[in-house]
Amino acid sequence: AQSVSQHNHHVILSEAASLELGCNYSYGGTVNLFWYVQYPGQHLQLLLKYFSGDPLVKGIKGFEAEFIKSKFSFNLRKPSVQWSDTAEYFCAVKEITGGFKTIFGAGTRLFVKA
Amino acid sequence: DVKVTQSSRYLVKRTGEKVFLECVQDMDHENMFWYRQDPGLGLRLIYFSYDVKMKEKGDIPEGYSVSREKKERFSLILESASTNQTSMYLCASSPLAQPQHFGDGTRLSIL
Repeated sequence: AQSVSQHNHHVILSEAASLELGCNYSYGGTVNLFWYVQYPGQHLQLLLKYFSGDPLVKGIKGFEAEFIKSKFSFNLRKPSVQWSDTAEYFCAVKEITGGFKTIFGAGTRLFVKA
Repeated sequence: DVKVTQSSRYLVKRTGEKVFLECVQDMDHENMFWYRQDPGLGLRLIYFSYDVKMKEKGDIPEGYSVSREKKERFSLILESASTNQTSMYLCASSPLAQPQHFGDGTRLSIL
């Protein structure tokens, strides 16, 4: 069965530190890839997506992610985090031929110290 | 902006009760989804619907059913609530082959 693995469940950083959150998936076919973010008390919202083309994708709030097909990875990065980036981050994968299902990772809770 | 509205933010029910969670979206999306979110487990798909009156089981459908009588509304039903169904429930909608838009969630406690 398909799976999505997020390497860290909890990450604590100081402001201005660089961020990289790992995401690997198990499916070998063509996929759409997503990162969602859930700020405290808010609904999940899309951070960025990859469908095709340039494997380096830029999203909102200075986030970017790189799709490396050979490594089945879609890691999220931000050069300099802010206190307001404190949130839970979810990686998600949808098979192109897999119908309607999107598989979510377990999430990574990021806490940024001011 | 897309709006996905879940009827309650917080709900407390007793074991054995029949529980209804309602979700409405205002963007004429074909697809609607119900997930439960538990710490360390991420989002797990309960049911989804790709059209009116159409439904498909997700990964954890046991103990749940759904109803989609109108395109904008997707209801999740706990037939006989149990304590292990205490969780955060998220509704989402999307157009075909596009990212999902989520509601604020319903935190359901079963006593």
